[in-house]
Amino acid sequence: QQQVKQSPQSLIVQKGGISIINCAYENTAFDYFPWYQQFPGKGPALLIAIRPDVSEKKEGRFTISFNKSAKQFSLHIMDSQPGDSATYFCAASTGFQKLVFGTGTRLLVSP
Amino acid sequence: DSGVTQTPKHLITATGQRVTLRCSPRSGDLSVYWYQQSLDQGLQFLIQYYNGEERAKGNILERFSAQQFPDLHSELNLSSLELGDSALYFCASSVVQGETQYFGPGTRLLVL
Repeated sequence: QQQVKQSPQSLIVQKGGISIINCAYENTAFDYFPWYQQFPGKGPALLIAIRPDVSEKKEGRFTISFNKSAKQFSLHIMDSQPGDSATYFCAASTGFQKLVFGTGTRLLVSP
Repeated sequence: DSGVTQTPKHLITATGQRVTLRCSPRSGDLSVYWYQQSLDQGLQFLIQYYNGEERAKGNILERFSAQQFPDLHSELNLSSLELGDSALYFCASSVVQGETQYFGPGTRLLVL
């Protein structure tokens, strides 16, 4: 019940396209859902986060869509750029506690 | 730069040995979290400290221990190392009532 399932495992998108990564969870006690971006050799960096009382949050080219009833949330990257090529992790937590991470999606944006 | 520092950046050691990984949280952050990242297990929570006290434990082996010191830096001690302990170890910190965890650059441990 503590798992967060993430798909796809890898994704190739053309420059200017939309990248979509999906996550699903079971634990209804989760109340914080961040997305992290990780470049090779670096630590994960917070990209954007959402709480379950909001269905969508947008920051620049990055949007989180949240479906509480389906227990699913997704990351959309609009106008994807080669510099967005990285591994993306969804995560979830309860309160201010540990993050439970998805398995990661390796995104490659082709020029 | 997240403001979280970790040393060393790389560590190569032999099976059976003991190592210490160090983390300095962002200025003002009282919570420190340790995570392990490996190819087969992904990013896994190990342990959390808040202002010097252990707050939560995750998938941390008995051979591993951690502590947070009065100056808020934290150390993760790994003993009787096995090949399978080779991984990236990340430290993250957060403010007292904040949700956002800021990750350090990690320590890459290779056990030979």
